[in-house]
Amino acid sequence: DQQVKQNSPSLSVQEGRISILNCDYTNSMFDYFLWYKKYPAEGPTFLISISSIKDKNEDGRFTVFLNKSAKHLSLHIVPSQPGDSAVYFCAARRTGANNLFFGTGTRLTVIP
Amino acid sequence: ETGVTQSPTHLIKTRGQQVTLRCSSQSGHNTVSWYQQALGQGPQFIFQYYREEENGRGNFPPRFSGLQFPNYSSELNVNALELDDSALYLCASSLVTVYYNEQFFGPGTRLTVL
Repeated sequence: DQQVKQNSPSLSVQEGRISILNCDYTNSMFDYFLWYKKYPAEGPTFLISISSIKDKNEDGRFTVFLNKSAKHLSLHIVPSQPGDSAVYFCAARRTGANNLFFGTGTRLTVIP
Repeated sequence: ETGVTQSPTHLIKTRGQQVTLRCSSQSGHNTVSWYQQALGQGPQFIFQYYREEENGRGNFPPRFSGLQFPNYSSELNVNALELDDSALYLCASSLVTVYYNEQFFGPGTRLTVL
């Protein structure tokens, strides 16, 4: 039962343009959402997070939007850079728990 | 500040064998979680240890067991290995307070079961 879904396995974007990565979830008990970036042969690296009491969180070139009614979040990267090429995982945490539920990941390729 | 480290990097075992994977938490962290990432999938939560006690478990059978030591390092043990246990095993450490803290992941151990 996949409670966090990333329906796009891959995304290609030109350098300088916007990258939009999407994530859907099914469990209404999730109260905290995170995006991780993963390079080959490395563990996932925390990128940005958002609490369920907010609908937007911004950190430099990265912005996460949360639409609770649609159970949907997205990660915007503007402008995209070749170094952003990696696999991006969406993750969620249930209220009162510390373990994370991950999506299957989206491989982003930023073309120079 | 030392990050999360895992050993070994790669491991090949045969079906039915037992394996032990090791993790050293980031300095100052008191909680370690283990995840299994199968090919093409996202990490799946195995279990978490907080102050040497199991503090939550995912949908994994009892042949997956763990330990956390006083220095907050940890082991993941898998008995009676099956072919489907082939995966990347990730360890993540965090400092648990009243607020949620992000988990910091190690590079993982790639286990292949033949």
